[in-house]
Amino acid sequence: GAVVSQHPSWVICKSGTSVKIECRSLDFQATTMFWYRQFPKQSLMLMATSNEGSKATYEQGVEKDKFLINHASLTLSTLTVTSAHPEDSSFYICSAAGDTDTQYFGPGTRLTVL
Amino acid sequence: AQRVTQPEKLLSVFKGAPVELKCNYSYSGSPELFWYVQYSRQRLQLLLRHISRESIKGFTADLNKGETSFHLKKPFAQEEDSAMYYCALKGGGAQKLVFGQGTRLTINP
Repeated sequence: GAVVSQHPSWVICKSGTSVKIECRSLDFQATTMFWYRQFPKQSLMLMATSNEGSKATYEQGVEKDKFLINHASLTLSTLTVTSAHPEDSSFYICSAAGDTDTQYFGPGTRLTVL
Repeated sequence: AQRVTQPEKLLSVFKGAPVELKCNYSYSGSPELFWYVQYSRQRLQLLLRHISRESIKGFTADLNKGETSFHLKKPFAQEEDSAMYYCALKGGGAQKLVFGQGTRLTINP
């Protein structure tokens, strides 16, 4: 149990376009979802925390207008990278937590902006 | 501020040898500490948490508040233990995790 999926697993887009990444909890209700960013050979950096039905809480230095997060249901959160630029290229990972507060991680999405 | 330090980026030991992955933290209150593991081409998964005080896959970790450490240990390493290991901290009732930089463990045959 406690499986988290992400879609797509990888995406390539042109500079200036927007990209949406989905994170789903497949077999449990996720009251809280987290979005991380991971650069090559570096650790995971938390971008934002989202609770179902409320606005996401962004970490210091993360532009909320650039990284739009929606958590409309207990099984789905989306991250939209707006007007993407090459420096936004990275590995984006989501995690989800339910009643036990243990975070279960998705497989990640590799974004490449040309 | 919350901070997790894993001083070793790379660690290589021979099969059957003991292994210790170091983790030190900085936090003024009472933290929850975790070890996560990421095997090749797999997602990050929880290995163990200090409040459980359990041994998973032969690994143990003890929280030492005096030394602010949470080192991960295994007496006899196995080849399948080769992976990336991340130490993480949660504190102050917050839900978010703060991760260390990670240690890549390689077990040589």
